[in-house]
Amino acid sequence: AQSVTQPDIHITVSEGASLELRCNYSYGATPYLFWYVQSPGQGLQLLLKYFSGDTLVQGIKGFEAEFKRSQSSFNLRKPSVHWSDAAEYFCAVGDANQAGTALIFGKGTTLSVSS
Amino acid sequence: DVKVTQSSRYLVKRTGEKVFLECVQDMDHENMFWYRQDPGLGLRLIYFSYDVKMKEKGDIPEGYSVSREKKERFSLILESASTNQTSMYLCASTGTGGLLTYEQYFGPGTRLTVT
Repeated sequence: AQSVTQPDIHITVSEGASLELRCNYSYGATPYLFWYVQSPGQGLQLLLKYFSGDTLVQGIKGFEAEFKRSQSSFNLRKPSVHWSDAAEYFCAVGDANQAGTALIFGKGTTLSVSS
Repeated sequence: DVKVTQSSRYLVKRTGEKVFLECVQDMDHENMFWYRQDPGLGLRLIYFSYDVKMKEKGDIPEGYSVSREKKERFSLILESASTNQTSMYLCASTGTGGLLTYEQYFGPGTRLTVT
């Protein structure tokens, strides 16, 4: 069965510092991978997605993620964090063989930004 | 832009009440989903629907039912609300065809409290 692990429950980063949020997945074939962000009291917004091709994908708000098949990882990065990036971040995986079914989400990582 | 709306942002109900949570999308999406979100547990799928009058159970359907009479509307029903159903409920929809069926668009969520 597919699963997604986000090892860090909570991370605090100083404003202006770089950020990396970890995501590991378990899936037999090539997965479809996503990162979502949820601001307090809001729904989830898609940051970026990976289906195939270039393993480094660019998203909105200056975020990027790199798919590493050998490590079963899809880590999210940002070179310089802004206070407005404080939110909860979710990694998700989709089954390439089951279009239209739900994504499997990790349990989330809460990002705090200190000044 | 895809818009997914949910009928209430906050709802307080009493134990034993019948509760309706409504979700409407305006992009003619075929697939719609209901998740509940709890701290430390991430998003868990309750039900999804891939067409009008069609529904599939997700991971935690117990205590819930759904209705999809029109393509744009997907309702979640708590037949007899219980305190353990206090949670944030998120609705999502996805487009039709190929990779579009993987990109989930979320509503703002309904925070339900059952007392």
